[in-house]
Amino acid sequence: QVQLQESGPGLVKPSETLSLTCTVSGFSVSSGCYWGWVRQPPGKDLEYIGNISPTGSVYCKPSLKSRVTISLDRSKNQFSLKLSSVTAADTAVFYCVRVCASGMFYIDSWGQGSLVTVSS
Amino acid sequence: QLVLTQSPSASASLGASVKLTCTLSTGHSSYAIAWHQKQPEKGPRYLMRLNSDGSHIKGDGVPDRFSGSSSGAERYLTISSLQSEDEADYYCQAWDNGGVFGGGTKVTVL
Repeated sequence: QVQLQESGPGLVKPSETLSLTCTVSGFSVSSGCYWGWVRQPPGKDLEYIGNISPTGSVYCKPSLKSRVTISLDRSKNQFSLKLSSVTAADTAVFYCVRVCASGMFYIDSWGQGSLVTVSS
Repeated sequence: QLVLTQSPSASASLGASVKLTCTLSTGHSSYAIAWHQKQPEKGPRYLMRLNSDGSHIKGDGVPDRFSGSSSGAERYLTISSLQSEDEADYYCQAWDNGGVFGGGTKVTVL
């Protein structure tokens, strides 16, 4: 059974870069599913940030594309998110997810979530 | 542009049933969706993927009391025999060049 676990700083200063890593167990990141990031600001809706394929192809939500980097580390079975030039509006719980395809793309596994606060 | 619309809240008594709705925007009525549950203080959990014909495939360990159905542009999640642990937020999710979420429905068990 696949498990995902986010890790990274819980506090980031404005204008700096938020960095999170997702460690995957029970499934290889090099196999047939995609790996993605979702966030939820306090009191707001879930927002899909983007994903990376097993071959390294990346999709990012257009409004975030200029600030987002998603990468894959096959040797560690991990994938990562970097969000640059953060502001208070980027404060959120960040979830790493597995996205699989079977007639449609859908999220079938979630991490527990990592709260990141942007504050000086 | 794909938009998923959910009612903000729903409630039902312990042991009763509740039916949640996710409405797909115009032009997207054939889309499949997934349902996810977010319990307080826990990460979200995938419940099922649901096709336009009402066929659905549940995730591992999802109780039988959770079922899905479809009608036109509407996708439903029915929870039967409501338990206290079913009190949670429920989100529908679809795909349109990336993931798209509905606003979620908060289910209260009375």
